[in-house]
Amino acid sequence: GENVEQHPSTLSVQEGDSAVIKCTYSDSASNYFPWYKQELGKRPQLIIDIRSNVGEKKDQRIAVTLNKTAKHFSLHITETQPEDSAVYFCAPLPNFGNEKLTFGTGTRLTIIP
Amino acid sequence: DAGVIQSPRHEVTEMGQEVTLRCKPISGHNSLFWYRQTMMRGLELLIYFNNNVPIDDSGMPEDRFSAKMPNASFSTLKIQPSEPRDSAVYFCASSFDTASYEQYFGPGTRLTVT
Repeated sequence: GENVEQHPSTLSVQEGDSAVIKCTYSDSASNYFPWYKQELGKRPQLIIDIRSNVGEKKDQRIAVTLNKTAKHFSLHITETQPEDSAVYFCAPLPNFGNEKLTFGTGTRLTIIP
Repeated sequence: DAGVIQSPRHEVTEMGQEVTLRCKPISGHNSLFWYRQTMMRGLELLIYFNNNVPIDDSGMPEDRFSAKMPNASFSTLKIQPSEPRDSAVYFCASSFDTASYEQYFGPGTRLTVT
């Protein structure tokens, strides 16, 4: 099965600064790479995803970059705001024939006003 | 659309009792997932269905857990007998597999077994 690790496990940044969370995975056949955000007491929600034929994708203040050779992908949040405080999970998909996402252990991001 | 609906939202029960969690996926979605979330183990996939058929149940912890999907709009997760270590938040999620792999989560059921 897929082994997934996230770093760091906790991250505190000043409001307005950038945050980067890295996810490493083990299955070289993985080809879909999403990031989910879970606010305290709420459900996980997809915020951005990327497929293996693309190296980077941006959506306003968030971006995801992929390095398939090194088997890692990263979430980038710029101009952080208090509402970005949450736990972020990566969940690479081993192959398109199986929808079984393997969620990482999560990164707790705290934005300091 | 109302999104994924789960019931009950909170359940408190005594050890040894049967617990049934319910889920209604988003209309038109053909994949349904049951997850368990705890501080110690994170977010774990228990089982998932595609077109009402169980595809992968390797995450089901033991025989005390069972899941069914009798039709496209309803699924249950049953624990019998329940144990204190089953205390967790149980999420149901659904997706439309041929459109994207985005999973839409329900609000979760917080289960406490005393």
